[in-house]
Amino acid sequence: KQEVTQIPAALSVPEGENLVLNCSFTDSAIYNLQWFRQDPGKGLTSLLLIQSSQREQTSGRLNASLDKSSGRSTLYIAASQPGDSATYLCAVGPPNYGGATNKLIFGTGTLLAVQP
Amino acid sequence: NAGVTQTPKFQVLKTGQSMTLQCAQDMNHEYMSWYRQDPGMGLRLIHYSVGAGITDQGEVPNGYNVSRSTTEDFPLRLLSAAPSQTSVYFCASSYWDRGTYNEQFFGPGTRLTVL
Repeated sequence: KQEVTQIPAALSVPEGENLVLNCSFTDSAIYNLQWFRQDPGKGLTSLLLIQSSQREQTSGRLNASLDKSSGRSTLYIAASQPGDSATYLCAVGPPNYGGATNKLIFGTGTLLAVQP
Repeated sequence: NAGVTQTPKFQVLKTGQSMTLQCAQDMNHEYMSWYRQDPGMGLRLIHYSVGAGITDQGEVPNGYNVSRSTTEDFPLRLLSAAPSQTSVYFCASSYWDRGTYNEQFFGPGTRLTVL
């Protein structure tokens, strides 16, 4: 059974620091991997999607990498800002055996606090 | 586009009551799904649909029903509410493009309390 782990559960950094959030998964056979941001009491906002054939994706100050063989993904945030404070969730899509689905298996997230 | 919308935002039920959580999307997405989010357990898939008329169970389907009569709507029904169904419920949608699914878009959530 696929399991997704995010360590650390919480992280506090000073403004301007570059940081890396980690996501690991137990089964390397994945369809895709998606990073989300969740603000308190809100829904999930999609940040980056990496398909299984890709190694990384970039959007602005964010860069996500995928290494299926080691079961790891990292989300790199450059020049962090207080507005980046949120919970970051990693989700893995299992392979579509016998049919097309887009199920996601989520980690429990990393709570990021960027101090001004 | 309004994206994915959910109603109500908050709901309190008594044990044994039934209700329907509404979800709609205006992006013409084929794929829709329901998740619940509980502290320490992350988000877990309840039911999903790959298109109108087609639904299937996710990881935690017991106590919930779904139907998909249109592309836009994917309601989640609680048949007889139990305190264990106290949670935050999220609806999501995704589109199919050139042989692959793309990113999932989430609604704002419904916070449900069952007394």
